[in-house]
Amino acid sequence: SQQGEEDPQALSIQEGENATMNCSYKTSINNLQWYRQNSGRGLVHLILIRSNEREKHSGRLRVTLDTSKKSSSLLITASRAADTASYFCATDESGTSYGKLTFGQGTILTVHP
Amino acid sequence: ETGVTQTPRHLVMGMTNKKSLKCEQHLGHNAMYWYKQSAKKPLELMFVYNFKEQTENNSVPSRFSPECPNSSHLFLHLHTLQPEDSALYLCASSPRGVDEQFFGPGTRLTVL
Repeated sequence: SQQGEEDPQALSIQEGENATMNCSYKTSINNLQWYRQNSGRGLVHLILIRSNEREKHSGRLRVTLDTSKKSSSLLITASRAADTASYFCATDESGTSYGKLTFGQGTILTVHP
Repeated sequence: ETGVTQTPRHLVMGMTNKKSLKCEQHLGHNAMYWYKQSAKKPLELMFVYNFKEQTENNSVPSRFSPECPNSSHLFLHLHTLQPEDSALYLCASSPRGVDEQFFGPGTRLTVL
C-alpha cells in the first residue's frame, strides 16, 4: 500500500448527513493536508494539520490526526449537494524535499439532495 | 479562483508534436509544482521549483522538460510523447513550499 491511502474509496450519503473519510500513511510527517477536487478540475486546499496538532476545525470541517496510528480523518458535517467531489489527503513527509507532497488515491463523495 | 492559471485547458497532440503547457501565478509564491493526474492513479508529483531553481525531479522521462524563467511562470515542454502520457496536468504554487498548495484548473492532454 502507499503513503496517504484514503478510506473508503467511495461514499454516498444524503444531504444533511455527516461524511467521514479516513487517511492512513506510513512515514513520519511534518503536516497532513486535505484537498477537494471537483470533477476534472484543479484541487482546492481545505485544511492543514501539523504533526504536533491533534484536531483542527474550519467551518463544517473537522480534521483529526493521530501520529501514533499514522492516521487522519476528515469529517464534513451537515453535508450539502455542493460537497460532492473527490477528497484527497496529502502528506508532507519528514526529511523529504522542500514542499514535496504525497497524495492518496482519494475518496469520491456523493451527496444526494 | 485560486490565482493560478494554466493554458491551454485542453490539448490534443500527436506523438511527434512539440507543445508547451504554461502556468502563471501572481500570488507572490516562491514554490511552483507540476503534477500528473491519470485515471485510477494518485496525483503524481513531477517537478518542484523553489525560487526558480529545480529542487525535485521525480524520475520524470526526458520527453517532459520543465522551465521556470521567473517566480511567476512555469512551463512544461512536451515532445515525442506516448499515448500513456495522456492525463490531466496540474500546476500548483505555494508561498514558502511548506504550506498549502494552490492549484490551477489543469490542462487535459490527449496524446494520439
